[in-house]
Amino acid sequence: NAGVTQTPKFQVLKTGQSMTLQCAQDMNHEYMSWYRQDPGMGLRLIHYSVGAGITDQGEVPNGYNVSRSTTEDFPLRLLSAAPSQTSVYFCASSPGYQNSPLHFGNGTRLTVT
Amino acid sequence: RKEVEQDPGPFNVPEGATVAFNCTYSNSASQSFFWYRQDCRKEPKLLMSVYSSGNEDGRFTAQLNRASQYISLLIRDSKLSDSATYLCVVNNQGGKLIFGQGTELSVKP
Repeated sequence: NAGVTQTPKFQVLKTGQSMTLQCAQDMNHEYMSWYRQDPGMGLRLIHYSVGAGITDQGEVPNGYNVSRSTTEDFPLRLLSAAPSQTSVYFCASSPGYQNSPLHFGNGTRLTVT
Repeated sequence: RKEVEQDPGPFNVPEGATVAFNCTYSNSASQSFFWYRQDCRKEPKLLMSVYSSGNEDGRFTAQLNRASQYISLLIRDSKLSDSATYLCVVNNQGGKLIFGQGTELSVKP
């Protein structure tokens, strides 16, 4: 099994550009989520989904959109990138039942200039 | 106030030391709790779940105090390989998993 696959691994954007970070999992997990990690801030939840067709906001949703049209995929869209969105982004999934841990992708390092 | 708070450290300890991390959470309805470990900005990996009665895995012991809304992680006989950032994670109602900011541990020879 591939687990959780994130692409790309690295990306540089100019302010105002748009892009989509891809996340796919092959474990039939219901729960998927996106986090960003900045120095000294830990991981902060951007958006999450408890199943196909259902998404909700996390701690820092502004500037990001998500959709969950299939169980496998949970893309994160930046509509107009800002330097404040320079960060490391992690996608994670879990079966969704209580006490089920998260499985993480390898992360995407995004720089917005 | 953040929903999940940890002492950011760093904790610098010699090999063989015992070190304890604490984590507090604000949502009394939180349902499940975990400790994760993260090395050098790689993806976090599950260290252990935290159960109400407390649980142990080798040199690691996790405890939960629901009344005071904190969880703890104790590492005995620290090894150089324990050097990492330890992240407290809380599963709130609705399925949101919220991370603390992490506590950095450096074990020195």
